[in-house]
Formats: sequence, C-alpha cells, structure tokens
Amino acid sequence: GQQVMQIPQYQHVQEGEDFTTYCNSSTTLSNIQWYKQRPGGHPVFLIQLVKSGEVKKQKRLTFQFGEAKKNSSLHITATQTTDVGTYFCAGQPSGNEKLTFGTGTRLTIIP
Amino acid sequence: DVKVTQSSRYLVKRTGEKVFLECVQDMDHENMFWYRQDPGLGLRLIYFSYDVKMKEKGDIPEGYSVSREKKERFSLILESASTNQTSMYLCASSFERGYYGYTFGSGTRLTVV
Repeated sequence: GQQVMQIPQYQHVQEGEDFTTYCNSSTTLSNIQWYKQRPGGHPVFLIQLVKSGEVKKQKRLTFQFGEAKKNSSLHITATQTTDVGTYFCAGQPSGNEKLTFGTGTRLTIIP
Repeated sequence: DVKVTQSSRYLVKRTGEKVFLECVQDMDHENMFWYRQDPGLGLRLIYFSYDVKMKEKGDIPEGYSVSREKKERFSLILESASTNQTSMYLCASSFERGYYGYTFGSGTRLTVV
C-alpha cells in the first residue's frame, strides 16, 4: 500500500532559527495536505498543494510540492514559540480520495 | 466554523467491554473518518464513510466496527476492548470526495485496563 514517510521525526531549534520538514510518498500523489497539531490538541488543516512544482506561502511558512508529485516540504522561517507542535503531511493518491498521513515531525523551540 | 464533536475526551474501559465512541459534525459533510494516533506511528485510518449507511475499511480495521445511520453521526465500536486498543482516537470529516482538507474533532483518549 501507499506509504508516506516524513523526516525528521523530531527537531529542536533555537527560537529565530529556520525549520524544515520533508515528506516523501511511495506513489504519485494527486495532492498533498499539511496539518499542524499543537501539544494536547488535534490536527488542524493548514494548506493543500495540487500542482506539480507548486509553492505556497502563509506568512513565515513556505510549502512546496515536488515536480514529480511524490515529495513535499514545509519550511518555517525564523521560528517562534507559537510554532511548537507536530507537523503532518498527508497525501491522496491519484484517483483515490483516502488520505495517508505521514508520521509527523515534532518541533520544539528552545527560547 | 465546522465543528466535529467527539462525545468523550477521556475514557477508561475494562478489557472485554463493548465501547462506543461517538462523533458528530454540524456542517453537512459527506465524508467521515476514524483514526487512531499512537506515538511514533502517526495517524492510522480505521474506517471511513462516504455516505449514510456506507462504510469502508481503512488500514487497521481489525477489532473495530462502525455505524453511520445519519449523515452527521459516525460511531466507532470496539466489540471487545483489549489493552492494545489503548490510544487516542480522532474523528474527522470532509466536505466532498477529493480536494478538501479534513476537520478533526478534539479526540478521545481511551485507556483499556
């Protein structure tokens, strides 16, 4: 079955440093979504990428979808304490609506 | 705002009990999902439903069943709870099939003793 791998599993950064998490799928995706889960909370939808090579920005967050539509990344510039949480990617294979979630990257910020 | 409400935040049940986890969404979403979340394993899909009275197995359906008698309600049933079903259970819904983000409930942390 489809697998979505995410690295790293954990990342500790100093406040103000940048952060990147990477997502790789074993199969081509029709779209990829990103979610954020705060400690003790539930996943919250951030964004969806659909087109090959697509780049989208939300303030300090930059999301990319690879040319082959099999990988994606989330980059946070100048992290803040509010960025703490686990970031999940989730992919939908072409022609299939079921999302497969990655294992997540847990971000902690050192003040 | 779309709301997905799970009936219990914390639940403690005994081994062998039949357990019902309820989920209700208020935005007329067609699709509903049940996931479990365990440390290091991410979110794993148990069952999902694209319509009333319709259900499909996800990646880890063993030991679970579901019921969707009304569009807004999707119930997860543990037929005979076991300790390896101790987990965080998350319900989610989405508007239509295809390119829509999921809205998650706050989760039910189930402990089976």
